[in-house]
Order: sequence, then structure tokens, then C-alpha cells
Amino acid sequence: GAGVSQTPSNKVTEKGKYVELRCDPISGHTALYWYRQSLGQGPEFLIYFQGTGAADDSGLPNDRFFAVRPEGSVSTLKIQRTERGDSAVYLCASSQNYLHYNEQFFGPGTRLTVL
Amino acid sequence: GDSVTQMEGPVTLSEEAFLTINCTYTATGYPSLFWYVQYPGEGLQLLLKATKADDKGSNKGFEATYRKETTSFHLEKGSVQVSDSAVYFCALTSGTGANNLFFGTGTRLTVIP
Repeated sequence: GAGVSQTPSNKVTEKGKYVELRCDPISGHTALYWYRQSLGQGPEFLIYFQGTGAADDSGLPNDRFFAVRPEGSVSTLKIQRTERGDSAVYLCASSQNYLHYNEQFFGPGTRLTVL
Repeated sequence: GDSVTQMEGPVTLSEEAFLTINCTYTATGYPSLFWYVQYPGEGLQLLLKATKADDKGSNKGFEATYRKETTSFHLEKGSVQVSDSAVYFCALTSGTGANNLFFGTGTRLTVIP
């Protein structure tokens, strides 16, 4: 079946602009996660949804970052007033439910470059 | 807080050599432990996992044992192949209700023929 998909695959923007990154999880997966991976580092957690609600947003670096999942499926990560330090690969993952030992399935990522 | 410390890379091995990538963790609860792999040009995928102490995860000839006494989850393979060349990430979920993965920095493995 279809895996996790993310669009766009690449996004180049200018400092100060607004961007939206989209994630389509595996059908039926109720848990959805966003991570950010900088060059040479492991992914870092941003936010986790169980259904439509953000169950844990403790990883969001500041209030420029916001994410939604209005119907419990597709999620959008929104970044306002982008800064050069936001440049990274943004990864989305989904899992069957909230249980901590469940496998998370990752999408291919969106590479964001802020000029 | 919860964290994972992973052996620095890069690691270069000849085909059929023995592989060990060290991973130790710090966690306040009863974590589940994972190894994820990222092959060139592909996304992260689960390689193996262990959810409680003394469990051994295994897949594709790779193994790792959850050692609570040494807080370790070292990845091993007896005979690596060129196709194993990838970046390997050790990770945990805390088991305290939070479900996000904490990742190590990754170890790049290159296997030469």
C-alpha cells in the first residue's frame, strides 16, 4: 500500500516568507509526527498528533512554527517569517496508534532551504 | 532528559567483516529501543526494535539486545555486504506516555568490496 507522502519534496524560500509543508500519512494511522533533521544530525521531534489534536507540541522551537491536522489525516506544518536557521529536512511519520513501541513509518521528507 | 548516544562515524568495512555500532541511552521510564536505517536516496525505515529488557531485535542479519544493566542497544552483524552501506540511527521512545522518538546522531557505514 501507499506509504507516507510529503509535498513538496524541495522548497526554496526567502528569509521572512511563510511556508507550508504537507504530510499524507498511511491510511488508518491515527498517530502522526513531525521531525526536523539538520545536516549530519539525527531527526529531532517537533510535534505529535493523536487524531486531530496535538498531543505533544513540546518540540516546536518557537511560535513561528505551527501544525494542524483538521480531519485526523493530512497534516500541514506551517512556518512563519522563515529564518536561515530553519533550513533542514522536515520529516513526517505515522504509526498505527499512540502506543510508544509501535513502528513509525517515515515519509521521504521536505528539504527546506531559506535563502 | 531522555537521550541516545551513538558511536561516531563514519565506519568503513570490507565486505564480510563483522560490524558493531555502539549505542547507549538515558531514559527515566521503561523505553522501547529502535534501530532505523537510511539507505542512499531513501527515507528512514525501521531495521529492528526491542521493547523490554533482554529482548533481542533482529532483521536482515542484524541483531541488537536491549541491555538494561548497561543501558545499551548495540547493533551487530556478522558479515556485512556492500548493500548494507547506509546511515544507521539508534533511537528510543521513553515509555512514559510520550511517544516521540529520540534519535542519536547517526553512523554512516560504507562497505567496500
